[in-house]
Amino acid sequence: SQQGEEDPQALSIQEGENATMNCSYKTSINNLQWYRQNSGRGLVHLILIRSNEREKHSGRLRVTLDTSKKSSSLLITASRAADTASYFCATDGTSGSRLTFGEGTQLTVNP
Amino acid sequence: DVKVTQSSRYLVKRTGEKVFLECVQDMDHENMFWYRQDPGLGLRLIYFSYDVKMKEKGDIPEGYSVSREKKERFSLILESASTNQTSMYLCASSFYYGTSGLLAKNIQYFGAGTRLSVL
Repeated sequence: SQQGEEDPQALSIQEGENATMNCSYKTSINNLQWYRQNSGRGLVHLILIRSNEREKHSGRLRVTLDTSKKSSSLLITASRAADTASYFCATDGTSGSRLTFGEGTQLTVNP
Repeated sequence: DVKVTQSSRYLVKRTGEKVFLECVQDMDHENMFWYRQDPGLGLRLIYFSYDVKMKEKGDIPEGYSVSREKKERFSLILESASTNQTSMYLCASSFYYGTSGLLAKNIQYFGAGTRLSVL
């Protein structure tokens, strides 16, 4: 299986609820990133967490990283219908500029 | 803001045609990438380039070639399009900070994508 696997594959919640997505990876990393993709569009970078960081916040986003378990989670608090999108984690595997993306979590936020 | 522009949003071609997908970025990024995205398979790297006239194979280069004659432009070429190349193609660029380790800030900026149908 690929570096960077998201869980769950799909998530459906009500507006105002929190959404949590998980990512597991296999090799050592310099950093882990989360991206968002609206339907039929390109990916947009959300947040980057370095391998020596455990938690990072950006607005309603909270990312955690556990390098001992090779896993990360993305929490979106107080979700909105506009948060409906696919979310991908990406790892660099210490190899430089190349990133490996997971298959993504499809988040649906119902109004 | 970084802008990555892909020449077409939708493209329909016939089997055997030579297809060019163009990508231009305006942020003087050294690195450029071509991915294809298919349901259930995520993003798969086709080719990437670290500099002008340089190219490196990704995970699925078969059936594709690339050209980078200028720093801002990275072209993906399907020499003889086949139906199994029907897909969403995404171009990205990045500026790599630092040579390795924790200095790396390899954020990628994506174009809007080209949905290619090969009939």
